[in-house]
Amino acid sequence: GAVVSQHPSWVICKSGTSVKIECRSLDFQATTMFWYRQFPKQSLMLMATSNEGSKATYEQGVEKDKFLINHASLTLSTLTVTSAHPEDSSFYICSAVGGHTEAFFGQGTRLTVV
Amino acid sequence: AQTVTQSQPEMSVQEAETVTLSCTYDTSESDYYLFWYKQPPSRQMILVIRQEAYKQQNATENRFSVNFQKAAKSFSLKISDSQLGDAAMYFCAYRTSNFGNEKLTFGTGTRLTIIP
Repeated sequence: GAVVSQHPSWVICKSGTSVKIECRSLDFQATTMFWYRQFPKQSLMLMATSNEGSKATYEQGVEKDKFLINHASLTLSTLTVTSAHPEDSSFYICSAVGGHTEAFFGQGTRLTVV
Repeated sequence: AQTVTQSQPEMSVQEAETVTLSCTYDTSESDYYLFWYKQPPSRQMILVIRQEAYKQQNATENRFSVNFQKAAKSFSLKISDSQLGDAAMYFCAYRTSNFGNEKLTFGTGTRLTIIP
């Protein structure tokens, strides 16, 4: 299957700072990328959908000013958590599709805000 | 809106035995895709099997097979000859077949434990 690389795998940051998470499709062009948040022992919650070259579409209840998503190229999407607070600590996962039936997922990023 | 329901939060099976995980969904569409994803302790999401709704034949991938009942909107996963490496969270997911709308709707997951 196709490969999606997510970086970093884990990050610890201080409250009030911003953190950027990258999601790259390594061997295909990702026309659409998705960002999820997963709480412990729960399912994946879709945060936003991003299409290359256009603004992301956020799910209801997700603060677009806090979770900035950029999809500048067909192989890269980034999620920036701005002014992070402890309640933003979570596991964030990206996925990508590019003409496939199934989505391919990154390894996930564990964010801890202290 | 589509919904996906997994009614079994936890399941366990003896190694080498067979286990079936349940999934039901609700949709008004006639063409769509269904998936089972596995999330082991590493938390990497891995595709186990997929089913196209227009296909009557149940999908099979080695020890994994599905029982797709379109009229009943049911999509169960059968794991045969269970192995220790099958221990994971299993998520059922739905996707419309409409081009440009590849969003996945996930169920709440079933945690599968393999008993040695």
